[in-house]
Amino acid sequence: ETGVTQSPTHLIKTRGQQVTLRCSSQSGHNTVSWYQQALGQGPQFIFQYYREEENGRGNFPPRFSGLQFPNYSSELNVNALELDDSALYLCASRPLQGPYGYTFGSGTRLTVV
Amino acid sequence: GNSVTQMEGPVTLSEEAFLTINCTYTATGYPSLFWYVQYPGEGLQLLLKATKADDKGSNKGFEATYRKETTSFHLEKGSVQVSDSAVYFCALTAGYSSASKIIFGSGTRLSIRP
Repeated sequence: ETGVTQSPTHLIKTRGQQVTLRCSSQSGHNTVSWYQQALGQGPQFIFQYYREEENGRGNFPPRFSGLQFPNYSSELNVNALELDDSALYLCASRPLQGPYGYTFGSGTRLTVV
Repeated sequence: GNSVTQMEGPVTLSEEAFLTINCTYTATGYPSLFWYVQYPGEGLQLLLKATKADDKGSNKGFEATYRKETTSFHLEKGSVQVSDSAVYFCALTAGYSSASKIIFGSGTRLSIRP
């Protein structure tokens, strides 16, 4: 049973457009991370938020941005979409304390045409 | 930097065969180690974890032991089933801080023949 919900499940956008992906985490999960998984590859870390502030970022350009809200929901925004942005976008969250694994959502499949 | 290397797939086995998927890691300090599984068309599910040396994680018949001396965390199962067909990712987090990200291996696709 997953406590992380992502929406939408699938999305098709045109190159140059902007997209917002949403994630609802479990109560008490103060840390949320976003990952990009291209077809046939492992997930790549985009960024992480802790208590509504970004506290870690992977090798992604500034057109990838995010927000985290007090109600444990978060957003990933991507501007000026490129064809290579086509991927499965995964949200993951965890409580602050302890060596716990993250709980992942089922992802949003973004296709840029 | 921190990294995870796992055996390349695809791995194809017959039902009831023994499974090993190799995973080694490079990390500073004392990472936590994980195996995640991804079924077709789905997100990632945590399969098992180990947080310190010599810990054995286990779930659904799968096991992996945290070997610090060989920096390895190999996944094993004694008798695989068709339903185990999926992609398996070895991963680590380096530390307990709020900034700990997950570093994944490239994944190993497992196919089980009836």
